[in-house]
Amino acid sequence: NAGVTQTPKFRVLKTGQSMTLLCAQDMNHEYMYWYRQDPGMGLRLIHYSVGEGTTAKGEVPDGYNVSRLKKQNFLLGLESAAPSQTSVYFCASSYPPGQGRGEQYFGPGTRLTVT
Amino acid sequence: GIQVEQSPPDLILQEGANSTLRCNFSDSVNNLQWFHQNPWGQLINLFYIPSGTKQNGRLSATTVATERYSLLYISSSQTTDSGVYFCAVGQGGTASKLTFGTGTRLQVTL
Repeated sequence: NAGVTQTPKFRVLKTGQSMTLLCAQDMNHEYMYWYRQDPGMGLRLIHYSVGEGTTAKGEVPDGYNVSRLKKQNFLLGLESAAPSQTSVYFCASSYPPGQGRGEQYFGPGTRLTVT
Repeated sequence: GIQVEQSPPDLILQEGANSTLRCNFSDSVNNLQWFHQNPWGQLINLFYIPSGTKQNGRLSATTVATERYSLLYISSSQTTDSGVYFCAVGQGGTASKLTFGTGTRLQVTL
């Protein structure tokens, strides 16, 4: 099992460019998440999904869009990148919390720089 | 929103020493997880522990939900334990939405 994978691993964008980050999981988890991590800080939730075809906003959703067309995939889009979006992006997946489970499993991260 | 505070912010240990990391949270939770971020940036889930005590090898965790804190114990520390330890909590019907603390940075030296 690959667990949670993310592509690409690194990307440099110019201000105003767009891109899509891909997350895939092979654990049959219902829930998937996108976080960002800025230097010296914990992670902040951008968007999440509780099932195929559903998405919801997290703590810092502005400037990002997401889609969950298949259960195993969760896409994060930046329509017009800004320097403030320079960060490391992590994807995670889990079963619904409760009944003794709900651990979130993380991908390796994507380091994005916007110049 | 809920506040999550971790202490200490930094910790340096000699190999073989024991340590206790603390996570305080400002409201009731029904989801609490501990993570280790290694020096290469990978995040590993250590415990899903909204209440009670769990042990996994040299690591154990206790959450006292009624008093709004959780403790992570590391015994006989090894250099591979170095990294940042994060506590994250979730509440109510949106318990999957985790709020992270700012972490405890641990360095284990020989």
